[in-house]
Amino acid sequence: DAGVIQSPRHEVTEMGQEVTLRCKPISGHDYLFWYRQTMMRGLELLIYFNNNVPIDDSGMPEDRFSAKMPNASFSTLKIQPSEPRDSAVYFCASSWRGRVVGELFFGEGSRLTVL
Amino acid sequence: RKEVEQDPGPFNVPEGATVAFNCTYSNSASQSFFWYRQDCRKEPKLLMSVYSSGNEDGRFTAQLNRASQYISLLIRDSKLSDSATYLCVVNPPNAGNMLTFGGGTRLMVKP
Repeated sequence: DAGVIQSPRHEVTEMGQEVTLRCKPISGHDYLFWYRQTMMRGLELLIYFNNNVPIDDSGMPEDRFSAKMPNASFSTLKIQPSEPRDSAVYFCASSWRGRVVGELFFGEGSRLTVL
Repeated sequence: RKEVEQDPGPFNVPEGATVAFNCTYSNSASQSFFWYRQDCRKEPKLLMSVYSSGNEDGRFTAQLNRASQYISLLIRDSKLSDSATYLCVVNPPNAGNMLTFGGGTRLMVKP
């Protein structure tokens, strides 16, 4: 079975550019999470969706960040304009309410470098 | 105070050693607890859940102390392949499937 699929795996961009990260959750999963990981701050939850509806976006750093989930099989995280401090690994994860709480399935991550 | 705190390490141990990590959490109403493992430059993966009565999975033992709000992970007979970062994870109350991760403890097992 396919796991969570993220793209791009690596992105290098210049300050001020728009960045769009994409995620395809595991089929049948009804929760989708966007996390950001840095050495300084560890794994931080940015936003999560349940049945395509944003439930908690309190972790989104500021208005430059936005996330959408137009359908059950696709989500995007957009940063506009990007800044060097946004450099991090962005993970998408999905889970299913029917499973034991706590088992998130992570994608391989999108490593973003903003110059 | 961070919601989930861990000693970042690294813990450097020889093969065959026993090593233990602790983690503290701030929300006393948290219900569910887990350990995840993250290999270098890879995604986190669930290692094991932590039950109130303590639980074992092979060489790994997890324990929960609700009164002191800490969770532990014990690894016996360490293998080289155990080298990774171990993330303490908490499911806060009324948060559905949302998880809060600690910063991780890095373990390096040496030959």
